[in-house]
Amino acid sequence: KAGVTQTPRYLIKTRGQQVTLSCSPISGHRSVSWYQQTPGQGLQFLFEYFSETQRNKGNFPGRFSGRQFSNSRSEMNVSTLELGDSALYLCASSVRENTEAFFGQGTRLTVV
Amino acid sequence: GEDVEQSLFLSVREGDSSVINCTYTDSSSTYLYWYKQEPGAGLQLLTYIFSNMDMKQDQRLTVLLNKKDKHLSLRIADTQTGDSAIYFCAETRLRSGGSYIPTFGRGTSLIVHP
Repeated sequence: KAGVTQTPRYLIKTRGQQVTLSCSPISGHRSVSWYQQTPGQGLQFLFEYFSETQRNKGNFPGRFSGRQFSNSRSEMNVSTLELGDSALYLCASSVRENTEAFFGQGTRLTVV
Repeated sequence: GEDVEQSLFLSVREGDSSVINCTYTDSSSTYLYWYKQEPGAGLQLLTYIFSNMDMKQDQRLTVLLNKKDKHLSLRIADTQTGDSAIYFCAETRLRSGGSYIPTFGRGTSLIVHP
């Protein structure tokens, strides 16, 4: 069974640009969550999707958005990139709410 | 203070047992998890315990939960150099939005030396 796949693995963007990250959950998993990991703030929750609906959102500005498709694949978008957006972005999938979450390898975003 | 707290570093000798500790603040936590993160990788789920359990053992891993003190620990028996990684404690509880979102600690860096 394939794990959670995140693409791309690495990304370098310039301030002011926008970026889209992709996450393909484990087959059969309907819940997808996104996290930002930085040395200073640790793991911070961005948002969670279940059956194409955003059910929860963390404390991030509106520049951070996401969506989930009917096949449970999810994308997150960050617009008007800032240097502070440089981080490892992790996606996790689970069968449904409150079941164990399985993480992808992450996308390392560097904003220069 | 933070919802989930862990010490930042732990150094052990190969072959010894490692004990990584975690405290959390919310008594309504339902599941508590331990994740492992190796350099450049995502988080790997190691084990989890439901809040009505006291202990769970899985091969070299033992999880102890003291619900009264809101204290969770992960014991790794016969620690190997391959166990060197960052270990994250996480708890979930029902949030106001009606879903369960894990809250993670900052992670404990386990360093295993020969």
